This record gives sequence, structure tokens and C-alpha cells, in this order.
Amino acid sequence: DTGVSQNPRHKITKRGQNVTFRCDPISEHNRLYWYRQTLGQGPEFLTYFQNEAQLEKSRLLSDRFSAERPKGSFSTLEIQRTEQGDSAMYLCASSPSDRGTDTQYFGPGTRLTVL
Amino acid sequence: AQSVTQLDSHVSVSEGTPVLLRCNYSSSYSPSLFWYVQHPNKGLQLLLKYTSAATLVKGINGFEAEFKKSETSFHLTKPSAHMSDAAEYFCVVSDRGGYQKVTFGTGTKLQVIP
Repeated sequence: DTGVSQNPRHKITKRGQNVTFRCDPISEHNRLYWYRQTLGQGPEFLTYFQNEAQLEKSRLLSDRFSAERPKGSFSTLEIQRTEQGDSAMYLCASSPSDRGTDTQYFGPGTRLTVL
Repeated sequence: AQSVTQLDSHVSVSEGTPVLLRCNYSSSYSPSLFWYVQHPNKGLQLLLKYTSAATLVKGINGFEAEFKKSETSFHLTKPSAHMSDAAEYFCVVSDRGGYQKVTFGTGTKLQVIP
């Protein structure tokens, strides 16, 4: 399977714990995006990378959130001191370049539940 | 600035009847427009996209959409609904100028009644 993969698929944690998600984009895709989707809503943009450079962060991304893409391949999204409001589906997508016409290919998502 | 409005949060059709899912957009630039489908517990899948070529765009599974600049609309249609079409559909706008920031609509849940 050469699509976008995300791990884990599900994560249940207690409030205050740290969690880390991983995204493996399609090989050779330069752009990598993170989104958050809550029940009944469309995905909301969190941040994106062009290769290893993080180019923009949404205001939704508080100081407790950090994302990295150290070698321009896979990416991690860490949430520190989780809160119940962080419960959501976290989606990763990749695209070949920065052209607005490019399709973003989505992974299956990581569903986070904070108890 | 860009935005997307999906006019119906839920649409219910009988199997074999036409489907119409409505989407209006706002964009400061020449937009690219996409429709994605999300089945329960599955990832988002691209149905079709408009990128300034033909205004009538054909996608997978018999879906198509027409870009109407004068109406700022990009409605999704299908002549005959199938049970497997039951899912959530998202209209998406992207700045074609190159930045590729995308904005999703809030989604339309399609129910197909046998």
C-alpha cells in the first residue's frame, strides 16, 4: 500500500498525559499537512510542512502542540498535557508540491480520546 | 480569504433517484475546488476536482460537479443513488495561486433509503 499511513489508529489517554502520533506520507510528496476533525465538522487545518520546514501553524495549534518532520519524510504530532477538548480525529495528508491544483491524499486518521 | 458553505447538513434520497449536494464558495483568488467523500471509519477520498479546465467535472462512481463562477457554486450531482453512496461529503476550496491552503466545508451527510 503506497498511501498515507497513520499510527496509531486509536489512542485513549488520561487528561494530562502526553501523546504522539505519526504520519508517513506518500513517498516523494513534498507537502505534509495535519488537520483536526471533531464530530459533525469538516477537517480544520493545523499546520503544514514543505519538506522538513514547518511553514504555517494555525491559531488552533496551542503551545501544547508541536509537530516535526525531521528528514522531510515522516512527521510526528505531539500533544502535551492533553485536555478533554483535544479529543478528535487527527488527519494527515500529503501532496506532491505546493500547487493549489494538487490533490491532497489523506491518511485514515488517528482518533484521540482524552478521558 | 476563502470559505465554503455546504447548504445542507443532511440529505436523504431513495435508492435510484438523483443526488444533489450543494456547495457555495468564496475566494479572493482563482480557486481550485474539490469534493471528498468520507465513509464511516475510512479516510477521506477524492471524488473529483476543478482546476480551471472544463467547468463540468466528472469524478469517480458516477459523480459530477459543475463550476459556476457567476453563482460561486460547485454542486455535486449523481443521476442515480446507490446504497454504497451513503457517506459524508465535503466540499473544499483551495487557492490555485500556489499556496494551497485548503478550507473544508462542514460536510453533508447523505442517507440513501432502500
